[in-house]
Amino acid sequence: AQTVTQSQPEMSVQEAETVTLSCTYDTSENNYYLFWYKQPPSRQMILVIRQEAYKQQNATENRFSVNFQKAAKSFSLKISDSQLGDTAMYFCAFMKGRGSARQLTFGSGTQLTVLP
Amino acid sequence: DAGITQSPRHKVTETGTPVTLRCHQTENHRYMYWYRQDPGHGLRLIHYSYGVKDTDKGEVSDGYSVSRSKTEDFLLTLESATSSQTSVYFCAISETGEAYEQYFGPGTRLTVT
Repeated sequence: AQTVTQSQPEMSVQEAETVTLSCTYDTSENNYYLFWYKQPPSRQMILVIRQEAYKQQNATENRFSVNFQKAAKSFSLKISDSQLGDTAMYFCAFMKGRGSARQLTFGSGTQLTVLP
Repeated sequence: DAGITQSPRHKVTETGTPVTLRCHQTENHRYMYWYRQDPGHGLRLIHYSYGVKDTDKGEVSDGYSVSRSKTEDFLLTLESATSSQTSVYFCAISETGEAYEQYFGPGTRLTVT
């Protein structure tokens, strides 16, 4: 079974600054996907970024980027130029690769607050 | 945004009563999922479906059943609701092919008194 650990229950950052959210996972799989989801106060789950384990290049989506360290089983999210709208709960999630039913295993989340 | 709706959005019910939550999609995606979200646990998978009438259990399936008679609808039933099933329930969908992302519905807040 896979496990996903987010060791930072809460974090805060000043507006326009950079913050990094940590995530580690445990798996014996070699083919898998990793995701970061954002859940603002509206409760809607929003996909932020995804990373395929077979790709060495770190994924980037505008102000959001990841640091994927496969050997260390680490998958951190960096948010640059933080904005007030980034305030949300952030979940790291793991998915097995091809041949699975694509279930997600989530971490417990990190509540990020962007301060004005 | 993916076309996913959940009904009802809020429900309060009494212990021992049956409850059915509905997830409806307009994307014709093959995979559908039910998760529950509780403080300190993130989201945990209850049941999932990989096609019409094809379902399987997830991590926290005890006390829940599901049905999928049409591609677009995935029902979650609590046969006899308990207070431990008070939670926020999310439906998600995923398509075949290389796009592995799951897209989530707006959630249903269920309170069992």
